Amino acid sequence: AQKVTQAQTEISVVEKEDVTLDCVYETRDTTYYLFWYKQPPSGELVFLIRRNSFDEQNEISGRYSWNFQKSTSSFNFTITASQVVDSAVYFCALSDRGSTLGRLYFGRGTQLTVWP
Amino acid sequence: NAGVTQTPKFQVLKTGQSMTLQCAQDMNHNSMYWYRQDPGMGLRLIYYSASEGTTDKGEVPNGYNVSRLNKREFSLRLESAAPSQTSVYFCASQYNDQPQHFGDGTRLSIL
Repeated sequence: AQKVTQAQTEISVVEKEDVTLDCVYETRDTTYYLFWYKQPPSGELVFLIRRNSFDEQNEISGRYSWNFQKSTSSFNFTITASQVVDSAVYFCALSDRGSTLGRLYFGRGTQLTVWP
Repeated sequence: NAGVTQTPKFQVLKTGQSMTLQCAQDMNHNSMYWYRQDPGMGLRLIYYSASEGTTDKGEVPNGYNVSRLNKREFSLRLESAAPSQTSVYFCASQYNDQPQHFGDGTRLSIL
């Protein structure tokens, strides 16, 4: 069975601090995708990144970076020099590549609050 | 290019009433999905449709029906609404194995 665990329910930081959001996943598939989505207070879901299970190379995009480690089944997300606009709920998700192509399994989300 | 459009954005129902949530995408995507989001639960899949004319149950299908009448539209119907179905509903569409595109959600309250 597929499962995504985001153990951090809420995180509060002060602006300019770095913050890491944890994500641990379970799957029996050897081929899968991992995702991060952002849900700002306005409620829409914003796609941030997708990672293929065969590509463990870390990725950086501006202040965002992602650390994918298959050995620990983790896909952590770091925001460097956080800003108030980063305040949102962040979801980690897993997509299997079996018969239900594209089906997403979400973690419960981490509420990030960045204080000025 | 509107992407994924959900209607209505908000709705209040009484227990036992029926309701259809509409979802349309203009990206010619083959797969479409309905999720519900409850506080502290993340998003859970209700139903999905891999192609026009086909639908399959997801994780939480009880109390819902869906229709994929054409490639653009995928509707979700509550035949007899219950308070437990109070939630935010998201529709998504996808082309092959590309990332899913989500609509802005429908906030549904059942009294």
